[in-house]
Amino acid sequence: AQSVTQLGSHVSVSEGALVLLRCNYSSSVPPYLFWYVQYPNQGLQLLLKYTSAATLVKGINGFEAEFKKSETSFHLTKPSAHMSDAAEYFCAVRGDSSYKLIFGSGTRLLVRP
Amino acid sequence: DAGVIQSPRHEVTEMGQEVTLRCKPISGHDYLFWYRQTMMRGLELLIYFNNNVPIDDSGMPEDRFSAKMPNASFSTLKIQPSEPRDSAVYFCASGQGASNQPQHFGDGTRLSIL
Repeated sequence: AQSVTQLGSHVSVSEGALVLLRCNYSSSVPPYLFWYVQYPNQGLQLLLKYTSAATLVKGINGFEAEFKKSETSFHLTKPSAHMSDAAEYFCAVRGDSSYKLIFGSGTRLLVRP
Repeated sequence: DAGVIQSPRHEVTEMGQEVTLRCKPISGHDYLFWYRQTMMRGLELLIYFNNNVPIDDSGMPEDRFSAKMPNASFSTLKIQPSEPRDSAVYFCASGQGASNQPQHFGDGTRLSIL
């Protein structure tokens, strides 16, 4: 069975600071991993995905994530936070043939001016 | 390209009324998903379809909820009768039939049951 744990329901950073959002997964088979972002009153938008081609994945809006099998992690980072990055971020895993995505509980990113 | 289209965007109705939420998936996508999002329970998968056939409805909370997909370009989620605890944001998502492909979400329907 697959599962996702996002550490920290809220993360607060200053504008210009490094953003680090943590995601750990559990999967009995090689997983496919996704990060989504949700802005207020909108649906989830794909930021990036890991599909085994490369362990460092670059996404939209300057975000990237690194797949570390030994740590079962897929943390999301951005070197310099912008005010516009304030949103909720969801990590998701798919590791079997059911095509279902298993979502984490989300991390709300707050960016201080 | 048109994304997933949901209607209505907002719905306010009284307890006991029938509610119908609608979704048009992205053309060419063969999977369609219905989710519910609340503060207390987060994002929950209710049901999903493949080629218009329901595959897994284990997340549908009660018999009051039903979903249909009469063709590849349209799906409905119906609640009858509605209750205040059904208040939530309901999302529809669609995707292509490969495990490495993401799901694409609509903007949701914010449902309030008074």
